[in-house]
Amino acid sequence: TQLLEQSPQFLSIQEGENLTVYCNSSSVFSSLQWYRQEPGEGPVLLVTVVTGGEVKKLKRLTFQFGDARKDSSLHITAAQPGDTGLYLCAGAMKTSYDKVIFGPGTSLSVIP
Amino acid sequence: DAMVIQNPRYQVTQFGKPVTLSCSQTLNHNVMYWYQQKSSQAPKLLFHYYDKDFNNEADTPDNFQSRRPNTSFCFLDIRSPGLGDAAMYLCATSFSLGSKNIQYFGAGTRLSVL
Repeated sequence: TQLLEQSPQFLSIQEGENLTVYCNSSSVFSSLQWYRQEPGEGPVLLVTVVTGGEVKKLKRLTFQFGDARKDSSLHITAAQPGDTGLYLCAGAMKTSYDKVIFGPGTSLSVIP
Repeated sequence: DAMVIQNPRYQVTQFGKPVTLSCSQTLNHNVMYWYQQKSSQAPKLLFHYYDKDFNNEADTPDNFQSRRPNTSFCFLDIRSPGLGDAAMYLCATSFSLGSKNIQYFGAGTRLSVL
């Protein structure tokens, strides 16, 4: 069974705090994307990671792809209310290039 | 500028009354997808077109159909909407190349069924 898990499912923090969201699977992915989705909108692509061990930074967001390409993490430094949203990871597999598997999402709320 | 455009943003229909949602793209991507998403859940793939080839997910009800008349447009037809079909419907596109599949989403259509 191809399954992507995300943790935590819900997270509520104060503005200025740091947080990490995890995306895990027993399957190997050829690439993995992180999306942020605000209420009533479609998911917006944040980053794509391809190489095992890869680290990418997007302002206060740091993304890491596990060495074995089975897991990924998203770290946010000094969270702001504008970071509030649903964070989704999605993995592409070599056996099915034209589809991705979505994790269940992490709902983040940053309180001013 | 929006590259994947969904219309309308909000659609209200009556129980059993057919409805069509539309999606257009300016990216010239060869793959287009339709997803259903219910409150704070992950998007659920209904089907996708790889060029002109239609690929239905095994658990997608027959009530959901799709058309892709050309590269730029794709439609989702719900033949007899039920109350359980109320959801956000997302269109996405990708250019399938090698081992990457980066999908770009539209803003979605929120469907209400009365």
